[in-house]
Amino acid sequence: AQSVTQLGSHVSVSEGALVLLRCNYSSSVPPYLFWYVQYPNQGLQLLLKYTSAATLVKGINGFEAEFKKSETSFHLTKPSAHMSDAAEYFCAVAYSSASKIIFGSGTRLSIRP
Amino acid sequence: GAVVSQHPSWVICKSGTSVKIECRSLDFQATTMFWYRQFPKQSLMLMATSNEGSKATYEQGVEKDKFLINHASLTLSTLTVTSAHPEDSSFYICSARGGGDNEQFFGPGTRLTVL
Repeated sequence: AQSVTQLGSHVSVSEGALVLLRCNYSSSVPPYLFWYVQYPNQGLQLLLKYTSAATLVKGINGFEAEFKKSETSFHLTKPSAHMSDAAEYFCAVAYSSASKIIFGSGTRLSIRP
Repeated sequence: GAVVSQHPSWVICKSGTSVKIECRSLDFQATTMFWYRQFPKQSLMLMATSNEGSKATYEQGVEKDKFLINHASLTLSTLTVTSAHPEDSSFYICSARGGGDNEQFFGPGTRLTVL
């Protein structure tokens, strides 16, 4: 069965610092992987997705993630945090292009001034 | 990007009543729509998947008679919470997929509070 594990329910960084949100997946076949962001009381917005093309995926708002098969990881990074990045971030996995998406437990990102 | 709307954005109802939530894809035809439930500070839990014109597929543990899903057109799906109880209070989010790759577009969510 597919699943994703997000390490750290809450991450706090200073403005301008590196953001690193961790995600490990479990899948018996090459998965589709996603990162979504959710602002309070809103739906989800897709940040980026991996679909077996380039292992380094660039997304919106300066975020990127690297697919590492040997580590079964898909960590999300941003070189310099901005106050507007404060939100909940979800890693997600799908079995195929047509299957349902399974979400991780989420990581709340806080930005310190 | 594609836009998905939900109506209402929030609703308060009395215990025992039924509540209908609408999910619309505004600028594309959604062959598949998904309904999720999200408790405070928790992740999204998939409740059901609906394909236009066919019965919804419910996830294990979700009561199909309590959470009625209808996907009558390519732009509209509805979730009806029947005989709502306080434990049904939650944030309900829909998403829509137009076919092709697996990008789902999410609605803004509906906050349901059952008194």
